[in-house]
Formats: sequence, C-alpha cells, structure tokens
Amino acid sequence: DVVMTQSPASLAVTLGQPASISCRSSQSLVYRDGNTYLNWFQQRPGQSPRRLIYKVSNRDSGVPDRFSGSGSGTNFTLQISRVEAEDVGIYYCMQVSYWPPLTFGGGTKVEIK
Amino acid sequence: EEQLVESGGGLAQPGGSLRLSCVASGFTFTNYWMTWVRQAPGKGLEWVANIREDGSERHYVDSVKGRFTISRDNARNSVYLQMNSLRGEDTAVYYCSRGRDCSVWGQGILVTVSS
Repeated sequence: DVVMTQSPASLAVTLGQPASISCRSSQSLVYRDGNTYLNWFQQRPGQSPRRLIYKVSNRDSGVPDRFSGSGSGTNFTLQISRVEAEDVGIYYCMQVSYWPPLTFGGGTKVEIK
Repeated sequence: EEQLVESGGGLAQPGGSLRLSCVASGFTFTNYWMTWVRQAPGKGLEWVANIREDGSERHYVDSVKGRFTISRDNARNSVYLQMNSLRGEDTAVYYCSRGRDCSVWGQGILVTVSS
C-alpha cells in the first residue's frame, strides 16, 4: 500500500501570511500514463471534505487562486498564499495512482494565530 | 448543482447490519465510479470501497472485506453500502463521493456501533 505522510500535523498562521503543507508518498505517484494522481482536500469544521486540487496542481472550480499545489514523484506541497479566516480546517492529501487501496494523508490542521 | 445525499445511518449493535444509501443528482451518474469514505470520531479520512460505472468492478479496504458490500442502481442514480457483522471500529461518519478521485462529497451520515 502507498503510505501518505503529511507535515506538519498542525499549523498556526497569522491572517494574510502564507502557509505550506507537505505530503510525501512511500513510492512515486507517477502512473504509467504519465499523470500523477495526487489530490488535496479541505475539511472545514463541521463540514464534509471538499476537493481543492487534483493531479498535483489543478484547482477545482470555485477554489480561490490563493491555493496552489506543486510537486512531483514522492514530494508534494499545498500552499496558501495569504491565509484568510475561512481557510481554517484540516487539509488532506490523497493518492489515486496506485490502488486499491486509495490512501489519504493523516491531515494537517490549520488555525489562525 | 451536483449533489450527493446519504441516508440509512444510525445505531447498530455489534454483529448487526445497516444499509447506507446515496442518491446522486446534477450530473450523469453512469459516467462515474462511486466511492465510500469514512471518518471515525476525531480521526482522519479512510477510503472504504468503490464501484465501477457499470458495477462490474468493486474494491474494498482490507478491514471491511467479507463484511461490507458496495452496489449501485444506475436507474435510480444510487449507490449503496451494505454493512454486516458490524464492529465498534466501524463507528464513523460515512461519506459518499463521486469518482475514484472524490471530486464531489455528500454531507455524510453517522453510523454508531454500540451495545
């Protein structure tokens, strides 16, 4: 199984400042078709998860452009350029390249300092 | 609007059964795999099962194999999760999601397994 490891586990950020979340996989997520199926999700308090980013760096419809994804192989990053109050929540990475099982990272909790 | 609505959760005794349902609207259901993901209280997300567009392929996390069955009814735009031989560790909010990549999520339904 592909193990997804996120860091840090929690992050306190000042409003308007950037935030960065790391996700590492136990093996390369480059699939035989050349794509890398690594997604990012946001879960606000009391809400369902919402996909933000798919295939490493593609933003879903309606996702603010302050969110960006990057990375390759086994190392990936979700960046928030300027944190807003509505960004509080838990962020998860998930790989869909080598499954079953589909696997999620353990989550990173983002709070406002 | 693309929407998924789960139902069928509640309290079950250890060893008991529950059947979850998820109705899709706002998109062409037959174009997508469907996935169930769960979240135990205070914990992270765990993939449970998914099913191909035509129902011909199904996959499960090891911890539910032989106990849970995923199915779908494309005429009703619905996907189901039959959960048998329930255990305490199955207690979680269960989410229905679109596709293998979970592009759309339902609101979730709570399943509690307790005597």
